[in-house]
Amino acid sequence: SQQGEEDPQALSIQEGENATMNCSYKTSINNLQWYRQNSGRGLVHLILIRSNEREKHSGRLRVTLDTSKKSSSLLITASRAADTASYFCATGDQGAQKLVFGQGTRLTINP
Amino acid sequence: GAGVSQSPRYKVAKRGQDVALRCDPISGHVSLFWYQQALGQGPEFLTYFQNEAQLDKSGLPSDRFFAERPEGSVSTLKIQRTQQEDSAVYLCASSLTTSLGNTIYFGEGSWLTVV
Repeated sequence: SQQGEEDPQALSIQEGENATMNCSYKTSINNLQWYRQNSGRGLVHLILIRSNEREKHSGRLRVTLDTSKKSSSLLITASRAADTASYFCATGDQGAQKLVFGQGTRLTINP
Repeated sequence: GAGVSQSPRYKVAKRGQDVALRCDPISGHVSLFWYQQALGQGPEFLTYFQNEAQLDKSGLPSDRFFAERPEGSVSTLKIQRTQQEDSAVYLCASSLTTSLGNTIYFGEGSWLTVV
């Protein structure tokens, strides 16, 4: 079963705009990670945020984590056509050596 | 190697056939994971190895699924008597240590279609 739920399930924006994706989860976590998956390809790790962190940046990516609301958001600024992909959040369960993934947000950047 | 390598990339199996999927993790990585990803869904955990020890196989859907990592590096996921519902992408991943804070690196996946 999948713990996380991404919102929205699909997002289509114009190139240059910002894209925001949200993720909610159910249980206590050690960390939360965001991955990108291009069509027909494997998962690419984007960013990891630990449970004691509130915000993290990496290039055009900004991730926030609110453990009280059990939610996270991924912001991609100044989107590019190459950002078109599915984005997944994944939580690291406390006490278990595995990631639990959400169902993903399918992001389309229109040129 | 430079990344996690999986083979075959694509496999078409007739229902009832046995298949074996291979994973070469990043050299030196202690942890190895197998995930199953159905079309349009997120990956779902199958099993976890720490070196050669299979510490968690709670995600294996049935006893037709078997995974091994005998020397603590290469791993094989075997599916016996394949059924149509086994059609999915099988993703292998590895990480350097057992720490939950470590990045987990994924391979490109093995796409299995059972006909």
